[in-house]
Amino acid sequence: EAAVTQSPRNKVAVTGGKVTLSCNQTNNHNNMYWYRQDTGHGLRLIHYSYGAGSTEKGDIPDGYKASRPSQENFSLILELATPSQTSVYFCASGPTGGAREQYFGPGTRLTVL
Amino acid sequence: TQTVSQSDAHVTVFEGDSVELRCNYSYGGSIYLSWYIQHHGRGLQFLLKYYSGNPVVQGVNGFEAEFSKSDSSFHLRKASVHWSDSAVYFCAGYQGGRALIFGTGTTVSVSP
Repeated sequence: EAAVTQSPRNKVAVTGGKVTLSCNQTNNHNNMYWYRQDTGHGLRLIHYSYGAGSTEKGDIPDGYKASRPSQENFSLILELATPSQTSVYFCASGPTGGAREQYFGPGTRLTVL
Repeated sequence: TQTVSQSDAHVTVFEGDSVELRCNYSYGGSIYLSWYIQHHGRGLQFLLKYYSGNPVVQGVNGFEAEFSKSDSSFHLRKASVHWSDSAVYFCAGYQGGRALIFGTGTTVSVSP
């Protein structure tokens, strides 16, 4: 019944490997977002999307790509993972013009060794 | 630069006590402000928001927040906390454009 789901919930990757984090929403929201959460930094925006086929850079996009193949799905891709990308990643959805209210997934804990 | 700041990293209260979590913003013009709660190991959940009108807004589970333009603040309050209120609380601002800007969060620990 959860409206925003993420997979995997936990991931261990090796340096230089490719990692794909997936997000699915059933809210029928146009906007979707990827954040990372690190102690002392709160949440920082990596990429976002206004709808299927669109991706936009957020505040910290370096080292990340995003893909929005459909209204429901939004992926975050780390082509060459590095230890500095060890973090908890959150996906969120929101209605058009509604960045003021967002609905979050449960998060993915990524460890890059 | 638009910023949202939360001055208290950690607050400890006893069950039944009141709590106030501080949030200050630096924006020009009108702004949406909101509060989110994050329980351990979970995603953020929306608590309440303010844009205009009555500066005191009510949220879920007895939370309320008060907007003050003169103080550039949007503090969150609860009159009587429960152990289940132990969580991290985030203040966030939005003024159009890309997405929310979050504060660094305040961890609330409720002792029995």
